[in-house]
This record gives sequence, C-alpha cells and structure tokens, in this order.
Amino acid sequence: SQKIEQNSEALNIQEGKTATLTCNYTNYSPAYLQWYRQDPGRGPVFLLLIRENEKEKRKERLKVTFDTTLKQSLFHITASQPADSATYLCARNDYKLSFGAGTTVTVRA
Amino acid sequence: GAVVSQHPSWVICKSGTSVKIECRSLDFQATTMFWYRQFPKQSLMLMATSNEGSKATYEQGVEKDKFLINHASLTLSTLTVTSAHPEDSSFYICSASRGGDSYEQYFGPGTRLTVT
Repeated sequence: SQKIEQNSEALNIQEGKTATLTCNYTNYSPAYLQWYRQDPGRGPVFLLLIRENEKEKRKERLKVTFDTTLKQSLFHITASQPADSATYLCARNDYKLSFGAGTTVTVRA
Repeated sequence: GAVVSQHPSWVICKSGTSVKIECRSLDFQATTMFWYRQFPKQSLMLMATSNEGSKATYEQGVEKDKFLINHASLTLSTLTVTSAHPEDSSFYICSASRGGDSYEQYFGPGTRLTVT
C-alpha cells in the first residue's frame, strides 16, 4: 500500500515566521501531491496541488515543493499569521486520495 | 466555485437505527464522489468511491452492507449507515470530482454522527 507520512504532529511558531511542514511518501511517486487545510469540525479545503514533474508551486504566501529523489514534499507558509492556525493535510493522489495524519500549526501573535 | 454541501451537519441516533447523509455538488456536475470517515485526531480514511449510475467501490475493511452508497445523479450521493452502533460514531466527509482529467476533489463540510 502507498504510505504518506507527515513527520510533525504539531508546530508552534511566532507570527511573521515561516512554517515548514514535511510530507514523505513511499514506493512510487504519485501523479500529484495535494495540500489541504482543515479547521476543527470542518471538511478539508484545497490549497495547492503539485505535479510529479514540477519542482515548486506558489500561491500567495504558500509554497510547495516536490522532490521525487527524496520522496518528499515541503509546504511553507511565509509571514505566518494567527489566522493560519489550522491542521494541514498532505495527500497523494493516485486517482483516489491517501491522506497523511496532518500537522497542526499554531501561530502565536 | 466548486461548492459541496452535506446534510445534516450533525445527527444523533439510537443504536440499531439507520441514518442517511446527503452529499450534493451545488455548482458543478460530479462524475465521481468519495466518502471518508475521520475519527478524532486522526486523518481522513477513504471508505468508498462512487460513480454516477454505478455501484460504489468500497475500500478494504469497509462493509458494503452496512454503509450503503447511492450516486443517483451527477449532483447527489447518499451514504446510509444501517443498524448503527456506537463505534460508527465519527465525522463523515464527502468529496466530489468533476472527473476526466481533473484530479481535484472538493470537500463537503462534514457530518458529525453520534450513535447512543
């Protein structure tokens, strides 16, 4: 089976700093890696998708990288704000999604 | 946009009864819909994939006779939890995909089921 792991369960950072989240996968590279934000008691909200042949993707203060050699994706939130506090989920997309356990980010004012 | 709704947002039922959860794509046609379950402090686990007009494909370990899925139209899928037990209490989330070359899934807000 295809595993996807997010190394950190929780990440606490100071407002204005950059949060970096790690996602590792096993076996073959998925066609897509996707990142979602989930707030308590809510469904996930799609943030970014990166394809196997892409090294980096950006959207406003968010950046995602995809390293097929390391079998890893990094998710960065730059200039973090308290409103960024949430759980961030990484998922590999092999037509169906397999989610990591998530990293809960808390941004302190 | 790509909005997916779920109804109800929460439900409490007695053990042994059945509960139906609806998932609707409001502004697009969803060729494929997915049902997930999420226990507290755990990630989403895919239960089944349903294509409009076809039988659902269930993931290993998910009982198809207990979790009945119907995808009757391109905008509606339903999940019925039959003879619910307290261990079925969970957060059920659906997602919808336009299909074709689109790999994006749009998630509903989730339904909190509590079985007493």
